[in-house]
Amino acid sequence: EDKVVQSPLSLVVHEGDTVTLNCSYEVTNFRSLLWYKQEKKAPTFLFMLTSSGIEKKSGRLSSILDKKELFSILNITATQTGDSAVYLCAVYPNDYKLSFGAGTTVTVRA
Amino acid sequence: NAGVTQTPKFRVLKTGQSMTLLCAQDMNHEYMYWYRQDPGMGLRLIHYSVGEGTTAKGEVPDGYNVSRLKKQNFLLGLESAAPSQTSVYFCASARPGIQYFGAGTRLSVL
Repeated sequence: EDKVVQSPLSLVVHEGDTVTLNCSYEVTNFRSLLWYKQEKKAPTFLFMLTSSGIEKKSGRLSSILDKKELFSILNITATQTGDSAVYLCAVYPNDYKLSFGAGTTVTVRA
Repeated sequence: NAGVTQTPKFRVLKTGQSMTLLCAQDMNHEYMYWYRQDPGMGLRLIHYSVGEGTTAKGEVPDGYNVSRLKKQNFLLGLESAAPSQTSVYFCASARPGIQYFGAGTRLSVL
């Protein structure tokens, strides 16, 4: 059975802090790993990772994949209150279906 | 640019009632998905479709049926609603690759 585990489940930080979120996976045929941000409503896409060791960046967010150790991390630097959200990690074990982790709830206090 | 549109946004049902949730996408995507999201459990796949006229079961299909008569629409039906189906339902579409989500339907079954 495919498994995607995110840690921590939740964390609280202050504005300006750096946050590191973890996602480990066990899937039969890995295709790609995706990160999403979910505020009040629909998850919105952040990154898609397919190759090990290549960092993807978007502003203060960055992510990297390690296919040997089967995990990915999502970093958020200089956090702002607008970064408060649930961050979801998901893996494509084939071409069709995403398997999601339970998510990490990030709360950024002013 | 609508993207993925779900209707209705909210619904309250009594046990045993039936209803249909509609998902429409205007991105000409081949793949469409229905998920449910419950607290602490991330997104769980109910059913999905890899093209017009095709459907397949996901992780939690019991109690739900789907139809994809037109490429742009994916319907989720509850024939006899149960309190365990109280949840937030998300539809998504993909080319394949990145999945884009609708705003969700909050369903309560009393």
